[in-house]
Amino acid sequence: SQQGEEDPQALSIQEGENATMNCSYKTSINNLQWYRQNSGRGLVHLILIRSNEREKHSGRLRVTLDTSKKSSSLLITASRAADTASYFCASSTQGGSEKLVFGKGTKLTVNP
Amino acid sequence: SAVISQKPSRDICQRGTSLTIQCQVDSQVTMMFWYRQQPGQSLTLIATANQGSEATYESGFVIDKFPISRPNLTFSTLTVSNMSPEDSSIYLCSVDRRTVSTDTQYFGPGTRLTVL
Repeated sequence: SQQGEEDPQALSIQEGENATMNCSYKTSINNLQWYRQNSGRGLVHLILIRSNEREKHSGRLRVTLDTSKKSSSLLITASRAADTASYFCASSTQGGSEKLVFGKGTKLTVNP
Repeated sequence: SAVISQKPSRDICQRGTSLTIQCQVDSQVTMMFWYRQQPGQSLTLIATANQGSEATYESGFVIDKFPISRPNLTFSTLTVSNMSPEDSSIYLCSVDRRTVSTDTQYFGPGTRLTVL
């Protein structure tokens, strides 16, 4: 069953604004990853944060992880029209499982 | 990162027929995964395919419906059998690439299946 829940389900912003997406999960994790999907194509890996990390940056992306609340957030700063896509979190659970459990995703629209 | 290709990229099929989707990776990997993404939904794991052993299926997915082959460390196939319109989805393969510093999964471009 899906253990990741994301909010909002859809987000529409103007170019230059920041976009924040949240993800919650139910069980203990090894790591949590964020992916982007353009128009129903394949997934592009954005960033991975491990369970012992609290924050990670990559370019305009900032990911936080709060294991006490079982939640993560993805912040995209200075958004661009090209950032328009669906964003998914995916968690890898403790116990050595390589399986990913995906959240429902946030559909982000960045208006020029 | 891994380079993963899938064939076909899309197909339109009649109900009752079967379609085999191929996944090719540019390097040897131990584990390959098959996911389904129904329209407007997130990804759900169908099965894990290890070379030389039977695939491991997730709850709700059975081998008769989704037989998987894994003949070597760079290739796998997923067959969608006796298709119905409910099987219309994007099917994606992925590989787990583990190093000292990363355990990222990389995804193929997907196969968009429409069943009439």
